[in-house]
Amino acid sequence: QLQLQESGPGLVKPSETLSLTCTVSGGSISSSSYYWGWIRQPPGKGLEWIGSIYYSGSTYYNPSLKSRVTISVDTSKNQFSLKLSSVTAADTAVYYCACLDLYFDYWGQGTLVTVSS
Amino acid sequence: EIVMTQSPATLSVSPGERATLSCRASQSVSSNLAWYQQKPGQAPRLLIYGASTRATGIPARFSGSGSGTEFTLTISSLQSEDFAVYYCQQYNNWPPALTFGGGTKVEIK
Repeated sequence: QLQLQESGPGLVKPSETLSLTCTVSGGSISSSSYYWGWIRQPPGKGLEWIGSIYYSGSTYYNPSLKSRVTISVDTSKNQFSLKLSSVTAADTAVYYCACLDLYFDYWGQGTLVTVSS
Repeated sequence: EIVMTQSPATLSVSPGERATLSCRASQSVSSNLAWYQQKPGQAPRLLIYGASTRATGIPARFSGSGSGTEFTLTISSLQSEDFAVYYCQQYNNWPPALTFGGGTKVEIK
């Protein structure tokens, strides 16, 4: 069974870049069956899809975040990563990585990222 | 962009009763809809995909129905572990886009 684990700083300063990595175990990130995605959830609010990537490197982003988001994949490490630039307090959220097969089958436990000086 | 609207925002139900949650799409998504359950402090869990197919290990008391723009998640007899927030998600125009509804909180009456 696939397992995903997010890692990265829990505190980011305003205007800086948020960087997170998701490590996949129990399966290959190069599987042709799946995309890999990032979803976030501000405290007390709903889910927001950030973007997704295929192992080949094809990416799709939420239009509302597209100008600030970069998602990349490292097949040699079985990892994919998120970079969100020019963060503000509005980007404070729990960030989840997940396996996408049209719908999100498997999720990481999530990591809280706080944007504050 | 397809907008997903869930109602009600909060549903108060007694244990053992039926809960009916609604999800509406701003345009047709055919049957390309999933439902998730999220408990406090946990990641969402996939319940239903294809509007009506239960994911692996999901109890039969959870059922999904609908197509086009109107969808329903029904929990036939609420158990204590079912009190949570439920989200719908459309994937009809994936790629490039995915959207979630705003969620319905099912609370104990």
